[in-house]
Amino acid sequence: KAGVTQTPRYLIKTRGQQVTLSCSPISGHRSVSWYQQTPGQGLQFLFEYFSETQRNKGNFPGRFSGRQFSNSRSEMNVSTLELGDSALYLCASSPIGDSYNEQFFGPGTRLTVL
Amino acid sequence: GDSVTQMEGPVTLSEEAFLTINCTYTATGYPSLFWYVQYPGEGLQLLLKATKADDKGSNKGFEATYRKETTSFHLEKGSVQVSDSAVYFCALSPGGYSTLTFGKGTMLLVSP
Repeated sequence: KAGVTQTPRYLIKTRGQQVTLSCSPISGHRSVSWYQQTPGQGLQFLFEYFSETQRNKGNFPGRFSGRQFSNSRSEMNVSTLELGDSALYLCASSPIGDSYNEQFFGPGTRLTVL
Repeated sequence: GDSVTQMEGPVTLSEEAFLTINCTYTATGYPSLFWYVQYPGEGLQLLLKATKADDKGSNKGFEATYRKETTSFHLEKGSVQVSDSAVYFCALSPGGYSTLTFGKGTMLLVSP
């Protein structure tokens, strides 16, 4: 099976712009989660989607949003970018069944805000 | 809320040395516990997991035992290799959920 894929791998934006990141989960996985990784704050949970519904949300401002499509692919959007949004954004998918809490991560999208 | 505390690094070892990376957690209920590994420039890979007290997770020579009495999940390996050099993250997920709470990560550097 192909792993979790994320596009693009690298992005450079300027303050005030908006950005959309994409994630394709492992085939058959219906849960997709997003995390932000920074040197200062470490790995922080953004949100989780399951069957096109947001099931859980972390403590991030409303500028961060996401959605999931019927094929389980997910996108996250960050509006009005700030310098502090520079980070590695990781997407993870989970299977259903007994291994529901095993998350499989993509390589991440490195976002740099100038 | 839930939290994970792990020892700060870097941990520097010679090849074939014994490895321990400490991890303790705070959570309500009965979380599942995980160790993930991140190699440079890559995403996270699940290394091992344990879902209930006294479970031992193991993979690629690494082991960790879920100790509810001490709320710990320490990672061990008997003989490290240079290829084990990476950042290791301890994490938990609450019962019934897949959302992960991570520790800050511990960098391991193994020299030949």
